[in-house]
Amino acid sequence: EIVLTQSPATLSLSPGDRATLSCRASQSISSYLAWYQQKPGQAPRLLIYDASNRATGIPARFSGSGSGTDFTLTISSLEPEDFALYYCQQRVHWPPITFGQGTRLEIK
Amino acid sequence: EVQLVESGGGLVQPGGSLRLSCAASGFTFSSYSMNWVRQAPGKGLEWVSFVSFDSNIIHYTDSVKGRFTVSRDNAKNSLHLQMNSLRAEDTAVYYCAKTTLENGHDQNFDYWGQGTLVTVSS
Repeated sequence: EIVLTQSPATLSLSPGDRATLSCRASQSISSYLAWYQQKPGQAPRLLIYDASNRATGIPARFSGSGSGTDFTLTISSLEPEDFALYYCQQRVHWPPITFGQGTRLEIK
Repeated sequence: EVQLVESGGGLVQPGGSLRLSCAASGFTFSSYSMNWVRQAPGKGLEWVSFVSFDSNIIHYTDSVKGRFTVSRDNAKNSLHLQMNSLRAEDTAVYYCAKTTLENGHDQNFDYWGQGTLVTVSS
């Protein structure tokens, strides 16, 4: 089973800051990594798929990069609505599909 | 507009059963593989089950194998999860999630339902 480790667990930043979230896989997953955003009481929303492709309707301030075992989600300039939980997910070695444990992006 | 609406959650005693449903609309349901993903209170996301668009391929996470059964009715645009022998650790919000590729098994989840809460407790 592929283990995804996200860091940091919590990231405290201010609106307008640049956010960098990391996801590391226990073995190579090529570029088969997705990122999701989840707000309290809501379902997750797909942000990025296949490491660097923005999903439909996702603002350009969200970008993804990486391949192999190390991946990054970058939010170039934080908006108030971006403070949420973020999960990475791999789909290359499944079942099972696995998610990271999440990074909480909070307002500083 | 794509909509996924789960139902069937509730309070059940350990060892009991529940059947979850997910009603789909706004897309050609029969062309997309579907998944169930759950989230225990205050915890992260856990994939539970996959069913291909044509029901030919089905997968489960190990912890539910032999207890849960996923099915779909393409004529009724509905997805189901029959959960038997429920345990306290099955307590979670259960989401149905649609995959992105038509007639594929891509496992990127582009639409999710709002979730239905299953509580297993005596």
